[in-house]
Amino acid sequence: GQQLNQSPQSMFIQEGEDVSMNCTSSSIFNTWLWYKQEPGEGPVLLIALYKAGELTSNGRLTAQFGITRKDSFLNISASIPSDVGIYFCGWYGNNRLAFGKGNQVVVIP
Amino acid sequence: EAGVVQSPRYKIIEKKQPVAFWCNPISGHNTLYWYLQNLGQGPELLIRYENEEAVDDSQLPKDRFSAERLKGVDSTLKIQPAELGDSAVYLCASSLRLTDQETQYFGPGTRLLVL
Repeated sequence: GQQLNQSPQSMFIQEGEDVSMNCTSSSIFNTWLWYKQEPGEGPVLLIALYKAGELTSNGRLTAQFGITRKDSFLNISASIPSDVGIYFCGWYGNNRLAFGKGNQVVVIP
Repeated sequence: EAGVVQSPRYKIIEKKQPVAFWCNPISGHNTLYWYLQNLGQGPELLIRYENEEAVDDSQLPKDRFSAERLKGVDSTLKIQPAELGDSAVYLCASSLRLTDQETQYFGPGTRLLVL
C-alpha cells in the first residue's frame, strides 16, 4: 500500500520565524493538497498542486510539488500566532482524498 | 454563503447506546463525504455519496455504522451500538462533484466521546 510520511510531527516556533514541513510518499501522485485544521474545526484547503515542479503561493504560504511526484513541501514565512494549527498534506488515490498524519505548529508570541 | 453545517458539535454517550450525526452540505454540492478522524491522525473516508447514491462505502463498518442521504441533500450517519473505540471526530465534507481538482469543503465536525 501507499506509505506517506509527514514530518516533523510538531513544531514550536517563535513568532516571525519561517517554518517548513514536507510530505514524502512511496508512490507517485498526480495531486498534492495542503490543508490546515484549527482546534475545533474541520480542515480548510490552503494550496492545491497539480503539476510536478509546480510552485504555488497563497499569501505567506508557499508549496511545491516535487519533480519526482513523490513529495511536496509547505513553507510558512514570517509566522504569526494565527498560524497555529495542524497542517495536513493530502492526495487523491482510488478516487479518494487521503491525508497524512499532520504537522502540529505552535507559534510562540 | 453558508458552509457545511454539522450537528451536534459534541456528543457524550455510554457504550452500547445509539448515536446519530447530521450534515447539511453546501447548497448545490452533489458529492457528500463522511470522514472519521482519530486523535493525532488525518481524516479517513467512511462513505461518499453522489447525490443520493452511496458510491464508495467500502470503508464503512457496516455491522454498526449506517448512513443515508435522502433526497440527495442532507445526510445522517448512525452508529448502533457505539463502542469505546468509536470516540473520535466525525467530519462531513461536500464538493460540487468528485474530481481531484474539485475542492472538498469540510464542516466543523462532531466530537463523539463514548464512555
